This record gives sequence, C-alpha cells and structure tokens, in this order.
Amino acid sequence: DTEVTQTPKHLVMGMTNKKSLKCEQHMGHRAMYWYKQKAKKPPELMFVYSYEKLSINESVPSRFSPECPNSSLLNLHLHALQPEDSALYLCASSQSAGDYYNEQFFGPGTRLTVL
Amino acid sequence: GESVGLHLPTLSVQEGDNSIINCAYSNSASDYFIWYKQESGKGPQFIIDIRSNMDKRQGQRVTVLLNKTVKHLSLQIAATQPGDSAVYFCAENKGRNAGNMLTFGGGTRLMVKP
Repeated sequence: DTEVTQTPKHLVMGMTNKKSLKCEQHMGHRAMYWYKQKAKKPPELMFVYSYEKLSINESVPSRFSPECPNSSLLNLHLHALQPEDSALYLCASSQSAGDYYNEQFFGPGTRLTVL
Repeated sequence: GESVGLHLPTLSVQEGDNSIINCAYSNSASDYFIWYKQESGKGPQFIIDIRSNMDKRQGQRVTVLLNKTVKHLSLQIAATQPGDSAVYFCAENKGRNAGNMLTFGGGTRLMVKP
C-alpha cells in the first residue's frame, strides 16, 4: 500500500464549529506532515511529526491542533477558524524526518471552507 | 506564454512538443531538489529528484537539470501529452541542519493543446 488517505475530501464549517481532519498511511513511515495550500500557491508546511512526536511547528495559530495517535494516523483538530483559513490541507508521510532527505508522499487533501 | 499577478505562470505547449519548466531557488545549502506534479483536485505527486552534487538526471520522459552557479533548476518533459497538464512545483530540501524540510517554489501551470 503506497497511499496516503485523507478524510473528509471536503469540509464546510462555521467559525464556531469544532472539526477534525484525518490522515492515514500504511507504508510504515515514521514521519508525517501537515501542509496548507491556498489557491494558486505552493504548499506551506504547518507541522511535522517524527516517531509520533511533534518535531516542527511552523508558528501555526493554536486554533489548529495536531495529534498523532499512532504511527499510521495523523489528525488535525480545528476550532474557531477564520474564513482566511479556507484552503486545501495536505497530509504527507516519509520514512523518517530530520536525519536525511527522503521522499514525501502526499495525500489528496481536504478542501476546507470556513464560513 | 506567461501571465503575472494573481495567476500562476503558464506554459502552453502543443501535444508532442517538448516542455521546459524553470525554477529559481535561493538556498545554497539545499542538498536535494525535487519536482512535483499536481493535478486538479489532487495532492502533489513526486516526479523526479536530483542531488546537489549532480547537474543532470533522467527519468522516463523527464530530465532535470541543475545549475548551481545561477541557482536554477529545470524540468524537461519530452513528447508532452495531454495527461501532463498540471501545475508543476519545484521544491528544495533544506538539508540536515534545517531538519530536511521541503520548501516549495511558486509553481507553473502546464497546458497541453491536443
């Protein structure tokens, strides 16, 4: 299985809602990533988990809260978002993070709209 | 042709022609450079990478050229097909001291005319 899956595909939420994005991989990868991609822009790194521990937080607002329950799963909990948070949220995984370069595999993304 | 402002730079080619997509990078310490293809509604898909100690690498129908003197990277696609239509991003791997994180370039939209 060489796939990263993400659910849901689309999500519409109000500014007072709480929702979660989910990501799963079964490649045995020990690094997982969240990226945010606005329209016509490149992906921007948000968080990195390495061996289920948060290793990088790129100064992301606290209304985004990542969680890595186990080595195959990555969640992004959303609370009190703003309309400007509307974007495509991409999950990626790689064999490891930090020590050397290795290929990142991306999921299809969750298209988030905040009303 | 190329469009500026709020639009992605766009390259329009005829089916069967060769395409060249360019990218400038900024960090001399980057040790790998990667090209990704992103089709509409999908996540980025790895195409090819090149290590900083190389100047050329070939894959199936694709060639990446690296010019470290001018910090320039290009992706050549031979015999471009309609299925090659997508947005192409270059990315640089920042090296071990930066946690081997990727930074993506701005992207170029490739449109293939049948």
